Amino acid sequence: NAGVTQTPKFRVLKTGQSMTLLCAQDMNHEYMYWYRQDPGMGLRLIHYSVGEGTTAKGEVPDGYNVSRLKKQNFLLGLESAAPSQTSVYFCASTSQSGTSYNEQFFGPGTRLTVL
Amino acid sequence: AQTVTQSQPEMSVQEAETVTLSCTYDTSESDYYLFWYKQPPSRQMILVIRQEAYKQQNATENRFSVNFQKAAKSFSLKISDSQLGDAAMYFCAYAGNTGKLIFGQGTTLQVKP
Repeated sequence: NAGVTQTPKFRVLKTGQSMTLLCAQDMNHEYMYWYRQDPGMGLRLIHYSVGEGTTAKGEVPDGYNVSRLKKQNFLLGLESAAPSQTSVYFCASTSQSGTSYNEQFFGPGTRLTVL
Repeated sequence: AQTVTQSQPEMSVQEAETVTLSCTYDTSESDYYLFWYKQPPSRQMILVIRQEAYKQQNATENRFSVNFQKAAKSFSLKISDSQLGDAAMYFCAYAGNTGKLIFGQGTTLQVKP
């Protein structure tokens, strides 16, 4: 099993350009998450999905859109990139929560620089 | 809203010695989970240890153990017999009823040979 994979690993954009980050998981997980990591601020939740066809906003959703058309994929889109979106982006997934918490499995991250 | 605070941006320890990383959190929930994640230079997020709030016994995983003080809302990580491979950034994290993780700011641990 590959676990959680992210494409691409690195990307440089110019202000105003658009791009899509792809997250894929092969663990049949229901829940998927997108985080961004900035120096001195830890990881912050951008958007998440509790199942195919559903998405919800996290802590810092502005400037991003997401889609979950297939259970195994979770896409993060930047329609018009801004320098403030320079960050490392992590995807994570977990099996459906019941009464206990299930571990989130993280992808390797995507380093995005917006010039 | 829940918050997680790590007040030590950087820590250092001598190889084979013991180090404690601090974490405090704020919540009004009674049932929740606390975690320590390790992030080495490779950026991969690795779960080190977890603690269920309803358990009074502190969690341990080999050389890693926690000191969970629920009333004080404190959750520190102790690394015993520190190794060079322990050098990384460590994040404290909280998960409550929503299941969403809330992370602290991180502590960079340096291990000196």
